[in-house]
Amino acid sequence: DVKVTQSSRYLVKRTGEKVFLECVQDMDHENMFWYRQDPGLGLRLIYFSYDVKMKEKGDIPEGYSVSREKKERFSLILESASTNQTSMYLCASKLEGIPNTEAFFGQGTRLTVV
Amino acid sequence: AQSVTQLGSHVSVSEGALVLLRCNYSSSVPPYLFWYVQYPNQGLQLLLKYTSAATLVKGINGFEAEFKKSETSFHLTKPSAHMSDAAEYFCAVTRNTGGFKTIFGAGTRLFVKA
Repeated sequence: DVKVTQSSRYLVKRTGEKVFLECVQDMDHENMFWYRQDPGLGLRLIYFSYDVKMKEKGDIPEGYSVSREKKERFSLILESASTNQTSMYLCASKLEGIPNTEAFFGQGTRLTVV
Repeated sequence: AQSVTQLGSHVSVSEGALVLLRCNYSSSVPPYLFWYVQYPNQGLQLLLKYTSAATLVKGINGFEAEFKKSETSFHLTKPSAHMSDAAEYFCAVTRNTGGFKTIFGAGTRLFVKA
């Protein structure tokens, strides 16, 4: 069974903290994504990685960075958490080069910044 | 840029009634279109995808979608709603900008009344 695993389901952090969200996939997919999900806004792409150490900004990268040191792991970093980053964060992976292949999602991490 | 628009953030139907969730895409080239479903407190999972082999696409749980190029639509339907269909549904398109990224609509929450 294919799997995308996010390290935490729920997180509560304080304003100004550095926050790490971890994602691991076991499907040998080249592409990995971080999305943010907010009511009425759907999923918005934060960052995208198409290979180890390769990354590309999505539609809302401000306040975030990412790291991909190994193919199976993609980390989202909030350098200094703010209350407007309270949200649901979803990680996904998919095969590279095949446009109609689906993305596989983790369970999501609900982050609250207080 | 390719995008999708979902009409109606909330749809409410009675159990046994027809489900119709609307999605329109903007694309100047043949689109790669998907419908995903998100059950409460879970990640997204694929319902169905358009592959250009047929305009009527069948998915899981009795859902289907029809690709209509003349209307730039990919509406999702199910003949008879079940209580277990209550979830949020997302239409998505693959956008090729130096890598195949999946872009999501704002989502439609489906309520099913007994």
